[in-house]
Amino acid sequence: KQEVTQIPAALSVPEGENLVLNCSFTDSAIYNLQWFRQDPGKGLTSLLLIQSSQREQTSGRLNASLDKSSGRSTLYIAASQPGDSATYLCAVADSNYQLIWGAGTKLIIKP
Amino acid sequence: DVKVTQSSRYLVKRTGEKVFLECVQDMDHENMFWYRQDPGLGLRLIYFSYDVKMKEKGDIPEGYSVSREKKERFSLILESASTNQTSMYLCASSPSTGTNYGYTFGSGTRLTVV
Repeated sequence: KQEVTQIPAALSVPEGENLVLNCSFTDSAIYNLQWFRQDPGKGLTSLLLIQSSQREQTSGRLNASLDKSSGRSTLYIAASQPGDSATYLCAVADSNYQLIWGAGTKLIIKP
Repeated sequence: DVKVTQSSRYLVKRTGEKVFLECVQDMDHENMFWYRQDPGLGLRLIYFSYDVKMKEKGDIPEGYSVSREKKERFSLILESASTNQTSMYLCASSPSTGTNYGYTFGSGTRLTVV
């Protein structure tokens, strides 16, 4: 059974720092991996989607990598800003194209 | 951009009421999903649909039903609302199974049952 783990559960860093959020999964047979952002009380916003054949995707200050063989993905945020404060969720699409979710990392960027 | 629209941001209902949560997507996606999200429990799949008039149970379907009469609309129904159904409800859509395209979520409905 696929399991997705996100470490750390919470992270607080000063503004301007580069940071990495981690996501690991137990079964490498995935269709894709998606990173989402969620602000308090709001829905989920898709940040990046990495297809199973890809190694990384970039969007602005965000870069997500995927290593299927080791069951890992990282979300790199460059030059963090207070507006980046949110909960970040990763999810893998399994062989049935169902999403298996991590519990999220709550990120706080201190001004 | 794909838009997934949930009809209400906040709802307050009484115990025993029949509650309808509506979700509409505008990009002709085949797949639609209903999740609930609770602190400490994460996102849990309630029901999903791969086509019109088709539905499949997710992980926690008890106390819920769904309707998909048109491709763009997926409704979640609480037949008799109970306080333990107080939660954030999230609708999502995606293109058909087998593609490498991701999910798009609506902005959520915060339901309180009193």
